[in-house]
Amino acid sequence: GAGVSQSPSNKVTEKGKDVELRCDPISGHTALYWYRQRLGQGLEFLIYFQGNSAPDKSGLPSDRFSAERTGGSVSTLTIQRTQQEDSAVYLCASSTRLAGGLRTQYFGPGTRLLVL
Amino acid sequence: DQQVKQNSPSLSVQEGRISILNCDYTNSMFDYFLWYKKYPAEGPTFLISISSIKDKNEDGRFTVFLNKSAKHLSLHIVPSQPGDSAVYFCAALTSGTYKYIFGTGTRLKVLA
Repeated sequence: GAGVSQSPSNKVTEKGKDVELRCDPISGHTALYWYRQRLGQGLEFLIYFQGNSAPDKSGLPSDRFSAERTGGSVSTLTIQRTQQEDSAVYLCASSTRLAGGLRTQYFGPGTRLLVL
Repeated sequence: DQQVKQNSPSLSVQEGRISILNCDYTNSMFDYFLWYKKYPAEGPTFLISISSIKDKNEDGRFTVFLNKSAKHLSLHIVPSQPGDSAVYFCAALTSGTYKYIFGTGTRLKVLA
């Protein structure tokens, strides 16, 4: 498809286990974002990639969270030693430039993570 | 520090009437604003945007108004349709940067 895809769509894991979430952005989009949405809350910025580089990792909640992007395309968000408070929907978005240099984001459907 | 606020968590409107969703921001450096719509189990989809050089942008049934002095923007949907029922997020950005700041969303329910 032409949109942003994410896998898995749902993940249930036990506390303490590691999880890996994947994002396939729209082809040609150089910018990629990860967000987290907890129940009843807004989108929380986690990390931004421009190409394979992540100039700002300050949104990552703790050192248990890491992300990488390879080939300027696929990105993976890894959560180590998951905790119950990590339960959320993890959204990925890619973006392209609009006229005037501004961007809009195209979101994937998200991965719903439940940590038991 | 919530830089973008949507103070109404929910709104119900009768079909055919106007829906008005509000958003306030605190950072005067923001100069680009967007609205996204989100259906359950889907990612947000881009709806409409406005640059701070404008005070109004219209796209079909959707119009966004920006009041820079009040640091307030609103999304008007006229006429509202049942398919508009969704959660609406506003987001703000400072041009030249990458960090979109999202509000907490307003759940719109359009009653048939």
